[in-house]
Amino acid sequence: EAQVTQNPRYLITVTGKKLTVTCSQNMNHEYMSWYRQDPGLGLRQIYYSMNVEVTDKGDVPEGYKVSRKEKRNFPLILESPSPNQTSLYFCASRRTGSTNEKLFFGSGTQLSVL
Amino acid sequence: GEDVEQSLFLSVREGDSSVINCTYTDSSSTYLYWYKQEPGAGLQLLTYIFSNMDMKQDQRLTVLLNKKDKHLSLRIADTQTGDSAIYFCAEKRNTDKLIFGTGTRLQVFP
Repeated sequence: EAQVTQNPRYLITVTGKKLTVTCSQNMNHEYMSWYRQDPGLGLRQIYYSMNVEVTDKGDVPEGYKVSRKEKRNFPLILESPSPNQTSLYFCASRRTGSTNEKLFFGSGTQLSVL
Repeated sequence: GEDVEQSLFLSVREGDSSVINCTYTDSSSTYLYWYKQEPGAGLQLLTYIFSNMDMKQDQRLTVLLNKKDKHLSLRIADTQTGDSAIYFCAEKRNTDKLIFGTGTRLQVFP
């Protein structure tokens, strides 16, 4: 089954403790992206990657890192989480062949930073 | 700025029509999308419209696009309880960037 898999689904952590949220897709998609969803703000893009070893900042990259060493994986790293990073995070992927490629989303990771 | 605006809530009775509205900012947007987010799940693409179209119908869904006013709407006919979800509009810009709206929570009551 074609899917984008995020782990974990829920995470509670404390300020300053490094964490990684994993994302993997099995569709051989070139493009992958991370979003955060906050009430009243919709989805805002954190980072995206057009292909292996190519990553770019989105609209809200501060406090986050990503890497794209393999095509299928795009982990999101919070080196020193803070309470304002408490949010619902989504990973997404798509092909890059045309201008209207469908974006596939993972099921989300609810992060709480205390 | 880059805001794509939607009203936060909509409540309708089962069997009625729902209309979810969205205003966007970039007149050069190429495609406009509607995504549905069910509780505990990611977003799923419902439908989309190319910017040179005024209307698109897909079963119970009708998308209307008013480019002059930069207004997009999604009409759901015969709304069912399974339609209860958050609906996001999104615009694709010439830069290939996708900008999402703030989301509208649709609640369907019997």
